[in-house]
Amino acid sequence: EIVMTQSPATLSVSPGERATLSCRASQSVGSKLAWYQQKLGQAPRLLIYGASTRATGIPGRFSGSGSGTEFTLTISSLQSEDFALYYCQQYNNWPRTFGQGTKVEIK
Amino acid sequence: QLQLQESGPGLVKPSETLSLTCTVSGGSISSFHWSWIRQPPGKGLEWIGYISYSGSTNYSPSLKSRVTISLDTSKNQFSLKVTSVTAADTAVYYCAREGGAGTNWFDPWGQGTLVTVSS
Repeated sequence: EIVMTQSPATLSVSPGERATLSCRASQSVGSKLAWYQQKLGQAPRLLIYGASTRATGIPGRFSGSGSGTEFTLTISSLQSEDFALYYCQQYNNWPRTFGQGTKVEIK
Repeated sequence: QLQLQESGPGLVKPSETLSLTCTVSGGSISSFHWSWIRQPPGKGLEWIGYISYSGSTNYSPSLKSRVTISLDTSKNQFSLKVTSVTAADTAVYYCAREGGAGTNWFDPWGQGTLVTVSS
């Protein structure tokens, strides 16, 4: 099983600032990495797939990068609606696995 | 627009079987692949298993002995059964579409349904 490790667990950022979230895989997943956003009481929403492709309707301030075992999600200028939980997920191998999540909170 | 909706009992007794259904609208269940994912209260996401449009399945090793996922193409639904449940199975259960052929991310998701295991 591929273990996905996200850091930090919590990120405190002021509105308008940049947020950088990291995700590391225990073995290479190529570019088969997705990012999801989850707000309190809601289902996760797909943000990024293929490590760097924004899903339909996702604002340009969200960007993903990386390949192999190291991945990054960047939110260029945090808006109030971006304060949420973020999960990475690999879909290169069975079982599908998620990181434990990074909470982006208001500083 | 593809939409998914989970349904089933919100309370299940320990040692019994948890049964949930995901109803798909806006598209044919025979055209895509499908997964179940769960999230214990206050915790992260755990993938449970997958069923292809042709009915082939793949399950999480940690749950494999207790989980069955099936398709009902006549109703455009797929289902989850988890046997011998314990309090550790208490979670919000989500259904989601999983693309195929290298597009195996989850999108869209159902809204989720909370299942509590308690006597």
